[in-house]
Amino acid sequence: DAKTTQPNSMESNEEEPVHLPCNHSTISGTDYIHWYRQLPSQGPEYVIHGLTSNVNNRMASLAIAEDRKSSTLILHRATLRDAAVYYCILRDVSSGGSNYKLTFGKGTLLTVNP
Amino acid sequence: DTEVTQTPKHLVMGMTNKKSLKCEQHMGHRAMYWYKQKAKKPPELMFVYSYEKLSINESVPSRFSPECPNSSLLNLHLHALQPEDSALYLCASSQVIRTTHNYGYTFGSGTRLTVV
Repeated sequence: DAKTTQPNSMESNEEEPVHLPCNHSTISGTDYIHWYRQLPSQGPEYVIHGLTSNVNNRMASLAIAEDRKSSTLILHRATLRDAAVYYCILRDVSSGGSNYKLTFGKGTLLTVNP
Repeated sequence: DTEVTQTPKHLVMGMTNKKSLKCEQHMGHRAMYWYKQKAKKPPELMFVYSYEKLSINESVPSRFSPECPNSSLLNLHLHALQPEDSALYLCASSQVIRTTHNYGYTFGSGTRLTVV
């Protein structure tokens, strides 16, 4: 599986934007970029995903570099409830059993200061 | 219903006990997963079921035995576990990827297992 690299931790202030980076220099053409987050004492939660174009949803925005070797998850106004571990994951959608694998890396621990 | 429900939320078992973890979803997802998560580590995939058939076993010891009795239910049977098996066990479900879409996984809140 193609790997991702994220900073171990980041800090943000409440109500400010947060940009969480992810490097994936070995990404293949069939890899989607997924972001999940895990709040304390909960299971991971799907945030957003994309292939080539930038994506927006009610939770966040995903900015994907033109060469697809990096991406950035953007939380437009951080709240205390956004404090979590954020995982950037590549998911290959080509045929084969590995379709079903969602492999987590170490993620970025986001701390939001009041 | 957009949830994955796991029971029990907490479980303490002895090394000679047999217990089961249960996972249920009613979203029509035909792929279901078990993950194991140790403290301060990312979740690690254990098993994948697709259309109620085991499709991936990530070399998990036989003291963990999965079962998928129907499309809504996934069990994990535990027998003769070791203290190092203490962890958060997460269940997830998703659409099976056979279309042009790419669906996210829905996770349950997990069962926190302690082996004594």
